[in-house]
Amino acid sequence: EAQVTQNPRYLITVTGKKLTVTCSQNMNHEYMSWYRQDPGLGLRQIYYSMNVEVTDKGDVPEGYKVSRKEKRNFPLILESPSPNQTSLYFCASSLGQGVGNTEAFFGQGTRLTVV
Amino acid sequence: RKEVEQDPGPFNVPEGATVAFNCTYSNSASQSFFWYRQDCRKEPKLLMSVYSSGNEDGRFTAQLNRASQYISLLIRDSKLSDSATYLCVVNLLSPYSTDSWGKLQFGAGTQVVVTP
Repeated sequence: EAQVTQNPRYLITVTGKKLTVTCSQNMNHEYMSWYRQDPGLGLRQIYYSMNVEVTDKGDVPEGYKVSRKEKRNFPLILESPSPNQTSLYFCASSLGQGVGNTEAFFGQGTRLTVV
Repeated sequence: RKEVEQDPGPFNVPEGATVAFNCTYSNSASQSFFWYRQDCRKEPKLLMSVYSSGNEDGRFTAQLNRASQYISLLIRDSKLSDSATYLCVVNLLSPYSTDSWGKLQFGAGTQVVVTP
């Protein structure tokens, strides 16, 4: 089954404790991206990647890191989480490649609480 | 000012009725447009793309007005299962651009509640 898989689905952590949210897609998509969703603000892009070893900042990159060592995986790293990073996080992937198909396929989301 | 703005709703719609709502975008250079559906904090899923000439997909009709910089979504014969939040998505670049992926802008969503 074609899908984007995020783990964990739910996470409660303490301020300053490094964490990683994993994202994996099995559709051989070039493009992957991370978003956070907060009430009234919609989805805001954190980082995106157009290919292996190619990443770029989105609209709200501060406090986050990403890596794209393999095509299928795009982990999101919070080196020192803070309470303002409490949010619902979505990973997404897309075929892209300028072929007119930019439909984004989303993972099921990770609800992160930083206390 | 937000790049993409939507009326948050909720739009309360009797089953079988028609509902329509708009989304405005601020960047006149925006090239491609989409409606996504999101159920109760689950992942968004593509509902339909929006083409310049307008397009239909079953009970759903999408329109684009470039002069006034808005897109609309109309749902006819509403079903209980249409209850969801509808996200407007705008892309600053052409879908045929190799860099288009990084430029998606999401609205905060319009909530639709269909009642029996």
